[in-house]
Amino acid sequence: DSGVTQTPKHLITATGQRVTLRCSPRSGDLSVYWYQQSLDQGLQFLIQYYNGEERAKGNILERFSAQQFPDLHSELNLSSLELGDSALYFCASSGTVNSPLHFGNGTRLTVT
Amino acid sequence: GESVGLHLPTLSVQEGDNSIINCAYSNSASDYFIWYKQESGKGPQFIIDIRSNMDKRQGQRVTVLLNKTVKHLSLQIAATQPGDSAVYFCAEDGGFQKLVFGTGTRLLVSP
Repeated sequence: DSGVTQTPKHLITATGQRVTLRCSPRSGDLSVYWYQQSLDQGLQFLIQYYNGEERAKGNILERFSAQQFPDLHSELNLSSLELGDSALYFCASSGTVNSPLHFGNGTRLTVT
Repeated sequence: GESVGLHLPTLSVQEGDNSIINCAYSNSASDYFIWYKQESGKGPQFIIDIRSNMDKRQGQRVTVLLNKTVKHLSLQIAATQPGDSAVYFCAEDGGFQKLVFGTGTRLLVSP
């Protein structure tokens, strides 16, 4: 168990809808990262937060947004969903620079 | 741009054999590399990491080798077990721990 908790485990929704994915980092970790894993793209970095502030951005679509709350949990919001957004979304957390990221077990999003 | 690639998409070995999974990276400025194992239905699990000031690091049954001259990384698993069957990813730190992952190698261990 990595200590990173993601909810829900599975999400099925229709095109055009909006969903929110939630992540609780490991106790004491200030950094939270979001990754998308699809069959044809592998693991893609979306965004990083550190202690509530956005630290780095990857190939995150404008339809997607995230935030990290004062209690350090994070949410990833996906809107105007398209079929191609179907993927596994992973959250990871870390404590310090050059320390490994610890991943949750992901949320599997299916857009129909 | 940054890219991390894997030479072999699938590696099949017999139980008890040693396994070697290879990875090439392109960002010569990367100074931190990590190997992850991902089992079906789970998130990537940290195996071992190495910093660019080292060329070898050993863990329990695993060894990571880093060759900065040719920008190559490898993961060696000793006495491979059926429980080692999974997809293995190498990743390089592209700054701010923005990890760039390789496409993954599936390791299949036969009893």
